[in-house]
Amino acid sequence: GAVVSQHPSWVICKSGTSVKIECRSLDFQATTMFWYRQFPKQSLMLMATSNEGSKATYEQGVEKDKFLINHASLTLSTLTVTSAHPEDSSFYICSALEGFGNEQYFGPGTRLTVT
Amino acid sequence: AQTVTQSQPEMSVQEAETVTLSCTYDTSESDYYLFWYKQPPSRQMILVIRQEAYKQQNATENRFSVNFQKAAKSFSLKISDSQLGDAAMYFCAYRRYNNNDMRFGAGTRLTVKP
Repeated sequence: GAVVSQHPSWVICKSGTSVKIECRSLDFQATTMFWYRQFPKQSLMLMATSNEGSKATYEQGVEKDKFLINHASLTLSTLTVTSAHPEDSSFYICSALEGFGNEQYFGPGTRLTVT
Repeated sequence: AQTVTQSQPEMSVQEAETVTLSCTYDTSESDYYLFWYKQPPSRQMILVIRQEAYKQQNATENRFSVNFQKAAKSFSLKISDSQLGDAAMYFCAYRRYNNNDMRFGAGTRLTVKP
């Protein structure tokens, strides 16, 4: 089946710094990728939809200047958390839509800890 | 807006027994997809089963089957012959037919007792 990778799997950063998370579709092209956030023991909340070559669409309440999303190629989307604060600590999951949009594949997630 | 409700925060089943997880959703659309995902402790989301709303027949994948009641907007997951490896969080999800983003329920934590 299709594989989506995320890097890094776990990152610790200091408050005020920025951190970039990569999401790659390894064996298929993904014109659309999604970024989710999951707090402990909670569900996945959609943060933004990323389309290759265009600006991301952010969900209500998500700060687009804080969570920068770049979908520069058909296999790579990046999420940059700028000026991170401890409340940004969470589990971030990306997913990629394959082909004609019928199948969505999830990455293994990235745990972000801001100290 | 579409919402997905899972009313059972936790469920428990004896190994080899059957358990049913509930899910209801709210939509005004007629065409959409419904999904059940499993999230084990590794937190990797694993697709368990998928149902297209236009199909009347309930989807089945080995020990996993759904009871899709479109009029009632209900989409329950039945796990037969439960195994220890089935223990995980289970999320019900909805996706509109002509839209790509997926909406998740709050999840049900399933424990399997040996």
